[in-house]
Amino acid sequence: DAGVTQSPTHLIKTRGQQVTLRCSPISGHKSVSWYQQVLGQGPQFIFQYYEKEERGRGNFPDRFSARQFPNYSSELNVNALLLGDSALYLCASSAAAGAYEQYFGPGTRLTVT
Amino acid sequence: AQSVTQLDSQVPVFEEAPVELRCNYSSSVSVYLFWYVQYPNQGLQLLLKYLSGSTLVKSINGFEAEFNKSQTSFHLRKPSVHISDTAEYFCAVIRSGNTGKLIFGQGTTLQVKP
Repeated sequence: DAGVTQSPTHLIKTRGQQVTLRCSPISGHKSVSWYQQVLGQGPQFIFQYYEKEERGRGNFPDRFSARQFPNYSSELNVNALLLGDSALYLCASSAAAGAYEQYFGPGTRLTVT
Repeated sequence: AQSVTQLDSQVPVFEEAPVELRCNYSSSVSVYLFWYVQYPNQGLQLLLKYLSGSTLVKSINGFEAEFNKSQTSFHLRKPSVHISDTAEYFCAVIRSGNTGKLIFGQGTTLQVKP
């Protein structure tokens, strides 16, 4: 079975631009969480979605938004990009909102210049 | 609020030597604990988890971790490391009842030397 998939693998954007990152969870998993991992640090929680509804939000500005589709895939949008948004963006899926184990995708490396 | 402290940023060790990666957490509520491993340019792989039951949990590749509630620790150990164990290791906690939000430590780089 395929694991969590993310696209694109790498992305280079300019300050002020907008970006959309995509994630497909493991088949049968209904919950998706997004994390930002800045170089040299542990991942930081951004959002959790379950059944198309936001279930949790981390300490990120409103420039960050996300949504989940009926097939449980998800998109993370970041507007008005800043240099500090350069990071590895990780998507994780879990079987249900009540499941604690999360399984991560390979990530999208975003570079903002 | 919960927090996780990984006490060593880098741990160099020779191949076939034992290793311990230390993890302490702080929380006023019940938490569940995880170790993830990240190889260069890859995502995170779940290595171990403690949800309930025996406080000693083991992985299929020889790692083990022990949940110590009194010391609020979840240290990762392996009796004999291989070159292929070279990676970044992250300890993480999740609050009971809050399934989406993993809180990670800063990571420990395990460098296995031949």
